[in-house]
Amino acid sequence: GEDVEQSLFLSVREGDSSVINCTYTDSSSTYLYWYKQEPGAGLQLLTYIFSNMDMKQDQRLTVLLNKKDKHLSLRIADTQTGDSAIYFCAESKPDSWGKLQFGAGTQVVVTP
Amino acid sequence: NAGVMQNPRHLVRRRGQEARLRCSPMKGHSHVYWYRQLPEEGLKFMVYLQKENIIDESGMPKERFSAEFPKEGPSILRIQQVVRGDSAAYFCASSSEGRVDTEAFFGQGTRLTVV
Repeated sequence: GEDVEQSLFLSVREGDSSVINCTYTDSSSTYLYWYKQEPGAGLQLLTYIFSNMDMKQDQRLTVLLNKKDKHLSLRIADTQTGDSAIYFCAESKPDSWGKLQFGAGTQVVVTP
Repeated sequence: NAGVMQNPRHLVRRRGQEARLRCSPMKGHSHVYWYRQLPEEGLKFMVYLQKENIIDESGMPKERFSAEFPKEGPSILRIQQVVRGDSAAYFCASSSEGRVDTEAFFGQGTRLTVV
């Protein structure tokens, strides 16, 4: 099976909070990332968290990491229409620089 | 400072032809990574290169695919004798160091369609 799994779709109303979930299997993962991909565009790094952290907050973004359950989540506060995109969770391992393992992506649709 | 530049943005090839995808890393970046994204899937790592060296090609198909990053010029991903299953978006990323805690910037991708 896939090393990184995500739900495929999330619909949220403008102004509400979005929570995107991700699970991974490899406990040796060092960094976990969230990327955003808008239609026809490349990937934009939103945030990342080191595996010895539980939480990281950056403006409207909050990342929570549960190492025991190998669960990562991204919360977007006050979701805007510009947040509509595909969000990818990714992990890296300490001996594989540059080799990110991506999930299949969660399509987030923000409705007015 | 231009970002990672990939060209062409769209490429159409007939089965059996060759596809050459180019990636110019950000200025000052000497590490390049190629990923492939099949429809409705996440990105899959293909190869990691430094100038004139292949560091990790564990994600490259054994046949028909090759990559290079010469001392001068862009990185090239070459697919010989393309087949329909090669249709995908190919993304290049670059970083200043070979560490994943330094940000790898992605290009906009080349969308290859094999007809």
